[in-house]
Amino acid sequence: GIQVEQSPPDLILQEGANSTLRCNFSDSVNNLQWFHQNPWGQLINLFYIPSGTKQNGRLSATTVATERYSLLYISSSQTTDSGVYFCAVADTGRRALTFGSGTRLQVQP
Amino acid sequence: DGGITQSPKYLFRKEGQNVTLSCEQNLNHDAMYWYRQDPGQGLRLIYYSQIVNDFQKGDIAEGYSVSREKKESFPLTVTSAQKNPTAFYLCASSIFPGGLSGANVLTFGAGSRLTVL
Repeated sequence: GIQVEQSPPDLILQEGANSTLRCNFSDSVNNLQWFHQNPWGQLINLFYIPSGTKQNGRLSATTVATERYSLLYISSSQTTDSGVYFCAVADTGRRALTFGSGTRLQVQP
Repeated sequence: DGGITQSPKYLFRKEGQNVTLSCEQNLNHDAMYWYRQDPGQGLRLIYYSQIVNDFQKGDIAEGYSVSREKKESFPLTVTSAQKNPTAFYLCASSIFPGGLSGANVLTFGAGSRLTVL
């Protein structure tokens, strides 16, 4: 099945800093989503982005499907951005998302 | 408010016992999913259901069973055959069955944390 690798596995930032999270995947995808998991375990969808670029406030994402990677940008980070960020993908033969192992982000005041 | 309700939030069970985790959604979504998360790990797919009375095994289905008798409900039973059941279990849903398109983003419940004593 499709493989998903995320980097870095852990990231510590000072409040106000910017960061880039990366997701590499092993095959063509028709669905790619980024999620944020808060410290209590709740997962929230951030972006659906199988290709192209999207922005939502301080967050933006870019997927280069031909090169099989996606990037999540966090600007002017806040302590509430802390948690785990997951990339999840599905190829055409798959009816459910395959998740990467996540990037654990800690934003310090 | 529309959403997904998982219960119980915390559950303790003795070895050899079966336990059922509840997942109810009022989003009118066709597809529902169960994922398992171990500490420091990503999510792994247990079972998914595209429509009522139909479900498919995911990557780690052994030791688990599900049913989908109603559109809004997708309970997961963790059986005694599951060798290492202590984990965080997440239920999710999406609008459409039959593949994943732009409208098919996943919505997650708050999770159920199962501990086997």
